[in-house]
Amino acid sequence: AQTVTQSQPEMSVQEAETVTLSCTYDTSESDYYLFWYKQPPSRQMILVIRQEAYKQQNATENRFSVNFQKAAKSFSLKISDSQLGDAAMYFCAYRSADAGNMLTFGGGTRLMVKP
Amino acid sequence: EAQVTQNPRYLITVTGKKLTVTCSQNMNHEYMSWYRQDPGLGLRQIYYSMNVEVTDKGDVPEGYKVSRKEKRNFPLILESPSPNQTSLYFCASRPSVGGPKNTEAFFGQGTRLTVV
Repeated sequence: AQTVTQSQPEMSVQEAETVTLSCTYDTSESDYYLFWYKQPPSRQMILVIRQEAYKQQNATENRFSVNFQKAAKSFSLKISDSQLGDAAMYFCAYRSADAGNMLTFGGGTRLMVKP
Repeated sequence: EAQVTQNPRYLITVTGKKLTVTCSQNMNHEYMSWYRQDPGLGLRQIYYSMNVEVTDKGDVPEGYKVSRKEKRNFPLILESPSPNQTSLYFCASRPSVGGPKNTEAFFGQGTRLTVV
């Protein structure tokens, strides 16, 4: 079974600074997808960024980028120019490319942004 | 608007009183799933369904039932709720396997359930 680990229960960053959230996963599969989800106080689950394992290039979405290290099974999220609206829970998630199963989530990292 | 709709958003109930949380999606997705979210544990899958009349257990199925009689609906049933089922529940759906474009899961708004 796949597992996803987020080793930082809480992180804080100063507004306009950069922060990196860590995620590691364990799998024996070669084809899969990785995701970062944001959960603000509204509880809504918002997809921030996705990465296909077969792609070597790291995904980027505006101020959000990932550092995908397939051999190390590491998938960190970098948030640049942090804004107050970035404060939320962030979940790393894994999904096999083959399975009908949905997503395996990490335990989450609560990000606080200081003005 | 494409969405996954859960009801109710909040529910307080007593131990042993059967309840159903409804989930409906309007995107014609094949895959649907239920998760529960608990502090420090992230979201854990309860049950999932790959299509109508096809359901399977996730990681934490004990105490829950589901059904998939129609493609758009995937209700979660707690026959005899217990306090350890107090949690935040999410329904999610996504298209069938079809390559990277179909990787995104759409989530409902969540249901906060308290069992006393």
